[in-house]
This record gives sequence, structure tokens and C-alpha cells, in this order.
Amino acid sequence: SQKIEQNSEALNIQEGKTATLTCNYTNYSPAYLQWYRQDPGRGPVFLLLIRENEKEKRKERLKVTFDTTLKQSLFHITASQPADSATYLCALVLYSSASKIIFGSGTRLSIRP
Amino acid sequence: DTEVTQTPKHLVMGMTNKKSLKCEQHMGHRAMYWYKQKAKKPPELMFVYSYEKLSINESVPSRFSPECPNSSLLNLHLHALQPEDSALYLCASSQDQDRDNYGYTFGSGTRLTVV
Repeated sequence: SQKIEQNSEALNIQEGKTATLTCNYTNYSPAYLQWYRQDPGRGPVFLLLIRENEKEKRKERLKVTFDTTLKQSLFHITASQPADSATYLCALVLYSSASKIIFGSGTRLSIRP
Repeated sequence: DTEVTQTPKHLVMGMTNKKSLKCEQHMGHRAMYWYKQKAKKPPELMFVYSYEKLSINESVPSRFSPECPNSSLLNLHLHALQPEDSALYLCASSQDQDRDNYGYTFGSGTRLTVV
């Protein structure tokens, strides 16, 4: 069966540390993978996109890696801050339809001061 | 303008009511989407419009009826809903359905409660 799994439902880390979130998928062939942030009661906000032929992408304190052999993406937030606390969603964009993205279940990240 | 605007923000409706959700964007995006999100779950795709034509319907019950009057507007007409349809309804847009994807822009959603 097709699945997108994010490593944990919740992750709690100390301010200043690096947060690492994992997204694993099975039986999909994504063209690219996206990461979104969602705050309670709000819509997701697009953060980063990485293509299947890219290994790594960076944006300010954010870094995404994509390993199509392992079928895994890692999302890192360095020097984490309490304001980074939110739910983070990975999403696959499939070759079969660029218009259709499939979301993972999300990881709720809490950064404690 | 880099936003997707959804109205109303909250809606309570009875099972016999008819209501509409509205979505508007002025970014020149040619693809627009409706998603449904239940609590602590990821968004689930309902409909995709590309160049004002319906291109994907994810087997959504007919009590949900989408409409795209023009390239900036997307409506979702609701009729005879059930309590289990209560959810956050999200509208999103992107530059083009089939071109290289630069991420979707989501609205803040309409919190719908069916009583």
C-alpha cells in the first residue's frame, strides 16, 4: 500500500538545538517533495521544495535533504526558536499528476525556552 | 497581493441549509484547489480547477459542488451536509497545474460546523 509517514506525531526540543523531522514514503514515485508549516486553525504555509535530482536544499535556518533510494526526506531547523513551534507537513508531488500533492500526517514540533 | 482569501472564516449550518464558501486570489495563479482537513489530520484533496475547468474530483459526495466563475474566484456550494462534514475547508492556488511546482499558497480556511 502507499504510505507517507512522518517519524513522530510530536517532537519536543530545547531552544537553540537543531530539530530534525523525517518523512518516509512507500510505493510512490514523487517528482518532488515539499515541506509546509501549519499553525493551529490556519492553512499550511509553503517552506521548501526539493526535486528528485537534488540532494539538498537550504533556506535561511532550514535545510531539506531528499534520498530517493531510501525514500526519505529529512527537514532540519537549526538554532531553533520557540516561534518555530508548529506542525510541519511533508507533501509528495507525484509524476502521475503535477496537480496532486499527497500530505504526510505531520509532526507537531515544540521548542521549549 | 500574495494571499488567498477565504470567507467566511467560521460557518455553522444545519443539515437542511444551503451555504457557499468563497475563495479569491489575485496572484495570476491558474490552478485552484479545495482541501478538507479534520482535526489532527493532514489536508485531503477534494477538487482541482485548472484554467477554470474542473480537472480532478476526488470522489467527493455530490452535496459538495465546486464552481470557478473566473480565474480569481473559487466557490464551494454546500447542501444537505452531515455532521461528519464538519472540518476546516482550505482553498489553495498554484501557478499552473502541470508546470514545475513552486508550492501552493493556502488560505486560512473556513471552519465549518454542521449541526
